[in-house]
Amino acid sequence: RKEVEQDPGPFNVPEGATVAFNCTYSNSASQSFFWYRQDCRKEPKLLMSVYSSGNEDGRFTAQLNRASQYISLLIRDSKLSDSATYLCVVGRRYSSASKIIFGSGTRLSIRP
Amino acid sequence: EAGVTQFPSHSVIEKGQTVTLRCDPISGHDNLYWYRRVMGKEIKFLLHFVKESKQDESGMPNNRFLAERTGGTYSTLKVQPAELEDSGVYFCASSPSGREQYFGPGTRLTVT
Repeated sequence: RKEVEQDPGPFNVPEGATVAFNCTYSNSASQSFFWYRQDCRKEPKLLMSVYSSGNEDGRFTAQLNRASQYISLLIRDSKLSDSATYLCVVGRRYSSASKIIFGSGTRLSIRP
Repeated sequence: EAGVTQFPSHSVIEKGQTVTLRCDPISGHDNLYWYRRVMGKEIKFLLHFVKESKQDESGMPNNRFLAERTGGTYSTLKVQPAELEDSGVYFCASSPSGREQYFGPGTRLTVT
């Protein structure tokens, strides 16, 4: 079983729709949580950190449920430019080091 | 502010040859990470430097891979001798705190 699991998609939704992704993680010692987006043949770019209290950045809302060990990302009023792969990333610290584990990504395609 | 840079962007070598990848982190970022994405798989952690010290190299596949970060600035990742299964995209990331990480554009390595 992978440590970070995501639905690979693809999600194909019309412009203006609301779309939600979920991600589950198996290691309860995980301490930090992120969503990255990756465009085709590009590097991952940090979209947002995810906190227990939830956080919002414009059209994007991220939630963390520690009890159930899942993270969600909600995109409202989706734009064509939102088409990308969304990577769920989970981190944990041990000793003086930190390690992050990537999910395999969820592909999103927004159609006009 | 300049982002993480990587060189070369693309390298094609024959099995058995040596390749050295370079990463220049964002200035002032003590944390530097190497990752690899093999086609069709998720991004996998290779190792983590804090300044010039290796904090975690548990993700290095085998002893054909050698990473250095002399002086705590740029880092190199050498593969010697390269094998076919080493093909993939090698990403470098840096972080000021060990939390959010900022990725370089990657080096696409093809071993033929």
